[in-house]
Amino acid sequence: AQSVTQLGSHVSVSEGALVLLRCNYSSSVPPYLFWYVQYPNQGLQLLLKYTTGATLVKGINGFEAEFKKSETSFHLTKPSAHMSDAAEYFCAVRAGWGDSGAGSYQLTFGKGTKLSVIP
Amino acid sequence: GAGVSQSPSNKVTEKGKDVELRCDPISGHTALYWYRQRLGQGLEFLIYFQGNSAPDKSGLPSDRFSAERTGESVSTLTIQRTQQEDSAVYLCASSRGGVTDTQYFGPGTRLTVL
Repeated sequence: AQSVTQLGSHVSVSEGALVLLRCNYSSSVPPYLFWYVQYPNQGLQLLLKYTTGATLVKGINGFEAEFKKSETSFHLTKPSAHMSDAAEYFCAVRAGWGDSGAGSYQLTFGKGTKLSVIP
Repeated sequence: GAGVSQSPSNKVTEKGKDVELRCDPISGHTALYWYRQRLGQGLEFLIYFQGNSAPDKSGLPSDRFSAERTGESVSTLTIQRTQQEDSAVYLCASSRGGVTDTQYFGPGTRLTVL
């Protein structure tokens, strides 16, 4: 079974500062990893995903994440925070090839990190 | 094209009543998922439909929960004899069905059980 841990339920950064949201996962097989963003009163929107290939993944709105197998991490970063980045961010993992058990296609989510951007 | 839609957007019900939540997936998406998001928690998987295959019901928390989907169209999630702990946002997602395909989420139905 897989699991996701997001360190910090609430992160505050100043406008223009680096954004770093942490995500660690556990999975018995090479995982597929996702970051979703949820703006207030809206559904989840995919920011980026890692499946195979290049471990540094670029997403929308200037976000990127790096898959580090040795650290079982998939931290989300953005060089310069903007006020519009204030939202809740969810890291998710899906079992990759090799996990043939039922439910392989579901996503397992972390509890989320609420990002506040201070002007 | 249209995204995933869900109805109603809000539902307030009394304990013990049954409720039905509806999800309209993106046209052509063979896979459909239901998740539950409790306050301050991440999303919990409930059930997964893929085409005409038997659904994966491994996430349903009790036999009060059931879901149906006809073919590759609309799905309904039914909660019988609602309890206060069922209060949550219920999210539906659809995808093209491949294991790496992106799941697209609807706006959710906020269920409040009094």
